[in-house]
Amino acid sequence: NAGVTQTPKFRVLKTGQSMTLLCAQDMNHEYMYWYRQDPGMGLRLIHYSVGEGTTAKGEVPDGYNVSRLKKQNFLLGLESAAPSQTSVYFCASSDPGGQVGQPQHFGDGTRLSIL
Amino acid sequence: DQQVKQNSPSLSVQEGRISILNCDYTNSMFDYFLWYKKYPAEGPTFLISISSIKDKNEDGRFTVFLNKSAKHLSLHIVPSQPGDSAVYFCAAMGAQKLVFGQGTRLTINP
Repeated sequence: NAGVTQTPKFRVLKTGQSMTLLCAQDMNHEYMYWYRQDPGMGLRLIHYSVGEGTTAKGEVPDGYNVSRLKKQNFLLGLESAAPSQTSVYFCASSDPGGQVGQPQHFGDGTRLSIL
Repeated sequence: DQQVKQNSPSLSVQEGRISILNCDYTNSMFDYFLWYKKYPAEGPTFLISISSIKDKNEDGRFTVFLNKSAKHLSLHIVPSQPGDSAVYFCAAMGAQKLVFGQGTRLTINP
């Protein structure tokens, strides 16, 4: 049972290059999320999706785009990478909260450096 | 403007003693509060949660306390074990979105 898988694990880009981070989950979860983690700032929500074909902005969406064409996949794109986007990116998935508030399950992260 | 704050970046505790991690929040509309544990080079893993209508939730060595009037929650780990050494994130859930604190690095000393 893989859970949430992120590809790639590491990447170095030059300023202005583009790339796509892939997140795949095998738990049939409805909701998926992309976060970035920076030193001293915890995890901040970039974009999220509440179902296939839907996306919404989070706290820090500028410079990123996302797509959720299939329920199990959530893609995060950087069209023109900037040094400020150097960070560790985490994907997460969950089911709707209901009565108990379902916790999010996280992947192991993608470490991205923009030179 | 940080809605969830963990004011202690680090905490060092002796093995076998109690570890107490603290978290403050500003938004009274949060529905649930969660604690996540994170080891280096891994993603955060869910530890324990508490609904906003409760004041305590216990799971083995881990207990979370919620004081709504003070907008404060805490995580108690007793007894602390070496494997508990990690970064702990407090998070608050509202409208299916999580807001995280900055994290506290807990070190358990033998």
